[in-house]
Parts: sequence; C-alpha cells; structure tokens
Amino acid sequence: LAKTTQPISMDSYEGQEVNITCSHNNIATNDYITWYQQFPSQGPRFIIQGYKTKVTNEVASLFIPADRKSSTLSLPRVSLSDTAVYYCLVGDISAGGSYIPTFGRGTSLIVHP
Amino acid sequence: NAGVTQTPKFQVLKTGQSMTLQCAQDMNHNSMYWYRQDPGMGLRLIYYSASEGTTDKGEVPNGYNVSRLNKREFSLRLESAAPSQTSVYFCASSETGQGFSPLHFGNGTRLTVT
Repeated sequence: LAKTTQPISMDSYEGQEVNITCSHNNIATNDYITWYQQFPSQGPRFIIQGYKTKVTNEVASLFIPADRKSSTLSLPRVSLSDTAVYYCLVGDISAGGSYIPTFGRGTSLIVHP
Repeated sequence: NAGVTQTPKFQVLKTGQSMTLQCAQDMNHNSMYWYRQDPGMGLRLIYYSASEGTTDKGEVPNGYNVSRLNKREFSLRLESAAPSQTSVYFCASSETGQGFSPLHFGNGTRLTVT
C-alpha cells in the first residue's frame, strides 16, 4: 500500500509561516501529491496538488524534491481559521488498474493567537 | 452546484439493524468513493466505483455493500450494523479517478450503533 507519514500535530501562532512535511517513499512514477484540509464536522477540502518542483496557489505552496519521496506544504502567515487537520494523499493501483486514493492519519495544526 | 450530497447527516442504529447511506454528485464525475473516519485513524477506504457499472473493495470492506445506481449516485449499505461500525462516513467523487483529479467530499454521515 502507498503510505504517507506526517507529524501527528503542530502548533503555530498567527502570522507565522507553517511547513508540514509528508513522506511518501513508495510513490508511483506517474502519481501526483495532493493536500487536503479538514475542519471539524466537514469533509476534507482540496488545497493544492503537484507532481514535481514547486506549485503555488492563492492559499499555499507545495515543494517537491527531485526524488519525490517527500513533499512540504507551506502555509504563509497563518490565521486562527487555519486550525484544521491537513492530509497529504498519494495513491495505489489496484490489480485491475484503478487508482485508489489513500489517506494517512493527517497533521492536526493548531494556530494560537 | 450542490457538489456531493450525503443523507442522512446523523443516524443511530441498534445492533443488527440495517440502513443505506445515500450519496449523490452533480459534477458529472466518473469515480465515487466511500470512506470511514475514526478518531486518530485518518480516512480509510471502504469501497470505490472507478466508473459507472463497476465497484471494488477498498481497505475495510467487511460488513458493507455498495451500489452504483447510476453515474450520479453511489450508496453504502450496512446489512447488520455492529458497534464497530460507529464512525463518520464520507462520500467523495473524482472527475477521472486518476491521481491528478482531486477528490470532492460530502459533509459526512455520523453513525452511532448501540
């Protein structure tokens, strides 16, 4: 099974930059790395996705080294509303060739005033 | 667009009762998924449907059945509920079912089995 490993929890303060690293040593050659954010009582929500190098959108940046065995989600200047659980996701391929999105246990980020 | 809609939002069952969790998406997505989320366990895949007409087991399929009724709807059935199935259940969809197509989630069904 594709497996991701992330820190269980992180603490930060408003206005700081937060970096969450995920390791995915068995990532498939053609797979993408996708990050999701989840608030209590809601389903996960897509944040950002990348294949290699760096991707940036309006909410985050994603850094992927050349070997693609890890990735780092960077949240600039966090606010209290960024308190959530963050998941990185890679996939497995079934015997029938279907892509199976596989979640790890996520990182619980708490932002303090 | 409502996205992914799950019903019901909450349900309490007694051991041995049956029920069906409903999921519908209005994005014309090909692939649909059922996950369960337990404290500290992340999301674990129960069943998925890569395309209309196909269903396959995920990581934790025991005690569940699914039906891909049409392209829009993917239901999850518990034939004889057990306390171990107390969890939050999330349905998700994906445009192509490939790694570059992000998942879109519903807001979950919180199920308690007593």
